Amino acid sequence: AQTVTQSQPEMSVQEAETVTLSCTYDTSENNYYLFWYKQPPSRQMILVIRQEAYKQQNATENRFSVNFQKAAKSFSLKISDSQLGDTAMYFCAFMSSFDTDKLIFGTGTRLQVFP
Amino acid sequence: EPEVTQTPSHQVTQMGQEVILRCVPISNHLYFYWYRQILGQKVEFLVSFYNNEISEKSEIFDDQFSVERPDGSNFTLKIRSTKLEDSAMYFCASYKGTERKGEQYFGPGTRLTVT
Repeated sequence: AQTVTQSQPEMSVQEAETVTLSCTYDTSENNYYLFWYKQPPSRQMILVIRQEAYKQQNATENRFSVNFQKAAKSFSLKISDSQLGDTAMYFCAFMSSFDTDKLIFGTGTRLQVFP
Repeated sequence: EPEVTQTPSHQVTQMGQEVILRCVPISNHLYFYWYRQILGQKVEFLVSFYNNEISEKSEIFDDQFSVERPDGSNFTLKIRSTKLEDSAMYFCASYKGTERKGEQYFGPGTRLTVT
């Protein structure tokens, strides 16, 4: 069974600085999808970034980028120029490409951005 | 921008009672999901629903749970006889069903408290 591990329960960063959130996963599949979701306090989860495993190029969305290391089964999220509005819970998630569309989530990392 | 909505935001019920959690997915989406998050734990998949039937369910989704799309807009999760361990945040999600597999849009959640 696939699993997703986020080893950093909490992180903090100063405004305008860069922070990296870690995620590792376990699967025997070659093709799959990886995601980072953001959950601000008392609000719904928002998709931040999506990576297709067969694409070697790391996904980027404005200030958010990933470091996808397929062999190491690692999928970290880098937030550049951190803003106060980035304060949230961040979840890493995995989806198999085979006959399923359920997301498998990690336990989350709580990020606090300080002024 | 279209959003997934959920009602109520908080539901308190007594053990053994039936509850219905309601969701309005994004209007042109075809795939619908329920996830739950017990306080302090990871988000877990419950069920996916497509073309008016369940396409996949987890082992959590036992006979006490059911889902329904009673009309063209609502998607409901019913728990027949609630238990204390059903206390959790329940998230509804929807997916358009075309490209960008896995891009699920989440609602704000319903916090269910069973006493």
